[in-house]
Amino acid sequence: GDSVTQMEGPVTLSEEAFLTINCTYTATGYPSLFWYVQYPGEGLQLLLKATKADDKGSNKGFEATYRKETTSFHLEKGSVQVSDSAVYFCALKSGANSKLTFGKGITLSVRP
Amino acid sequence: KAGVTQTPRYLIKTRGQQVTLSCSPISGHRSVSWYQQTPGQGLQFLFEYFSETQRNKGNFPGRFSGRQFSNSRSEMNVSTLELGDSALYLCASSLEGQSYGYTFGSGTRLTVV
Repeated sequence: GDSVTQMEGPVTLSEEAFLTINCTYTATGYPSLFWYVQYPGEGLQLLLKATKADDKGSNKGFEATYRKETTSFHLEKGSVQVSDSAVYFCALKSGANSKLTFGKGITLSVRP
Repeated sequence: KAGVTQTPRYLIKTRGQQVTLSCSPISGHRSVSWYQQTPGQGLQFLFEYFSETQRNKGNFPGRFSGRQFSNSRSEMNVSTLELGDSALYLCASSLEGQSYGYTFGSGTRLTVV
C-alpha cells in the first residue's frame, strides 16, 4: 500500500538557518504530493503541493520538488524564522478516490 | 469563504459513554475525511465519505462510525468510549480529484476520563 516516510525528529535550528526535512514515499501510480503544517492547538494547513514529476511547490519561502526517480519530496527553506516552529507532515494522494496518506510528522523548533 | 467547521472544540466524556462529533465542510466539497491524532500514534485515518457513501475506511474498531448527509455535512460517532480514545479528531474536506489536498478543521479535542 501507499506509505510516506519522514526523517526522525525533532529538529531544532537557530533563526536564519537553512532547513531541509526529508520525505520519501511508496505509491502505486503517480501520486500527488503535499506538505502540511500544524501550529500548536490548530488543525493542519496545506503548505504546498506538487502533482507531477519535476513540479516544484512553493509557499511562504518553503519549497519542495517532486522527484520521481528518487521517490522524494524534501521540504526546504533558506532562512527559517521563529514563527516557522510547528509540526510538518508530508503526505500523498494516489488516485482520485484515494485517501490522503501522511508521514509521522516532524517537530521543528526555531530558536531566536 | 468559510472553512471547515468542527463542533464542539472540546469535549470531556466518561468511559463507557458515547459521543458524536460534527463537521461542516467547505461549500462545494463533497469528500469528507476523519483522522484521529494522538502523541503516540500520530495521524491515523478513520474513514472518508463521498456523496453520503463511505468510500475508504481505516483500521479502527466498529465502535467508530460515521455518516454523511445530503448537504455533505458529516458526523462521527464513538460508542463505549475507552480512555485510549482521548485524542484530537480532525475532519477534512476536499474537492474530487487526485490533485486536490484536504482542508482541515481545527479539530475536536476529546478527553475520556
